[in-house]
Amino acid sequence: DAKTTQPPSMDCAEGRAANLPCNHSTISGNEYVYWYRQIHSQGPQYIIHGLKNNETNEMASLIITEDRKSSTLILPHATLRDTAVYYCIVRVHSGGGADGLTFGKGTHLIIQP
Amino acid sequence: DAGVTQSPTHLIKTRGQQVTLRCSPKSGHDTVSWYQQALGQGPQFIFQYYEEEERQRGNFPDRFSGHQFPNYSSELNVNALLLGDSALYLCASSARLAGHQSGELFFGEGSRLTVL
Repeated sequence: DAKTTQPPSMDCAEGRAANLPCNHSTISGNEYVYWYRQIHSQGPQYIIHGLKNNETNEMASLIITEDRKSSTLILPHATLRDTAVYYCIVRVHSGGGADGLTFGKGTHLIIQP
Repeated sequence: DAGVTQSPTHLIKTRGQQVTLRCSPKSGHDTVSWYQQALGQGPQFIFQYYEEEERQRGNFPDRFSGHQFPNYSSELNVNALLLGDSALYLCASSARLAGHQSGELFFGEGSRLTVL
């Protein structure tokens, strides 16, 4: 799986949009971009994923650049409960054997009151 | 609908001992993965079980072994414990969809192992 690069930490004011960048310049054509987050002392939580089109769900929006070399996760109205480590992962959807996710160190997002 | 459940939540062992951790997947899921998370690090993939067989393995020694039962639940066994095995062990479940494994994993709260 391709490697991802994320800033180690970011701050965002409560109520504002949090924009978390991820660089995946070596991504291949069959790799999806996944985002997970991990709130302190809990297991990771799936947020969203996409291939090349922008995606939106009840939690967040995912914007993938046209060349697919980077993406941005957007939390539209951040709350204190969004304080967590956010992981950007690229992964192949293989038709054969299963493959585990490769987590980096992620971005520690701190929402400020 | 129960999510992924893991037991025990915390345990303490001494070097050289063996430990067994247990996981029940989310209802409707048939695949279980195990991850190790050291303090301050992201989770590291140990292995994945589907149809009661180990399907893929990360870079972990043979001291780490597992099993999946017909009801899809799973166990992680670690033999000859080392101090460095102290970590949060996470179980994640998923479902095989349209011939491939979904990347949408549901994680449990983890089992925190301390090796003294």
